Amino acid sequence: GESVGLHLPTLSVQEGDNSIINCAYSNSASDYFIWYKQESGKGPQFIIDIRSNMDKRQGQRVTVLLNKTVKHLSLQIAATQPGDSAVYFCAETRTGTASKLTFGTGTRLQVTL
Amino acid sequence: ETGVTQSPTHLIKTRGQQVTLRCSSQSGHNTVSWYQQALGQGPQFIFQYYREEENGRGNFPPRFSGLQFPNYSSELNVNALELDDSALYLCASRLRQANPEAFFGQGTRLTVV
Repeated sequence: GESVGLHLPTLSVQEGDNSIINCAYSNSASDYFIWYKQESGKGPQFIIDIRSNMDKRQGQRVTVLLNKTVKHLSLQIAATQPGDSAVYFCAETRTGTASKLTFGTGTRLQVTL
Repeated sequence: ETGVTQSPTHLIKTRGQQVTLRCSSQSGHNTVSWYQQALGQGPQFIFQYYREEENGRGNFPPRFSGLQFPNYSSELNVNALELDDSALYLCASRLRQANPEAFFGQGTRLTVV
């Protein structure tokens, strides 16, 4: 089948370990950030979001950290599972009437058994 | 599942032809955006529709056009297809224009030969 992200940076993690995926964003005016997971042949799936007035937000097995000083986001996945294998994108936007999302380059996460 | 549905899932067109892609937004979502995702890259914003009018556009030529209908469903039309238009086309819906959370459909894979 088709593959998303043939030439993307790849992070290889053993099942059960924690994963950390990093992202640098470009627009200092961005005030809302989303992490998406994209499996081959599918659209991006919303994982977790964070607003610029926060520096950490936790979900189920996932945590997003935001460092506005250096314009950096990270996604931490606890106890990584084979089903977590996918391409992960961060996206930034400035909330308003035409809130287009600007996506990062993506990271392929490979979970090994 | 996000509730955003796109059709068709795949299609092949010849250079110079025209194509129409369709999207049904998640129930109650009145804002629809379209993105183009080339292989190995993140999605790129094409345009956004709210209340049947385009109210935001990315760096795409006028041969990319769209429509939004009273039921909030949307179409993306591309005229004079070029080989570089081959990509995954994604539709994203948002509850309201002011809500930044965007939920994507599974995409339409367009191949131009």
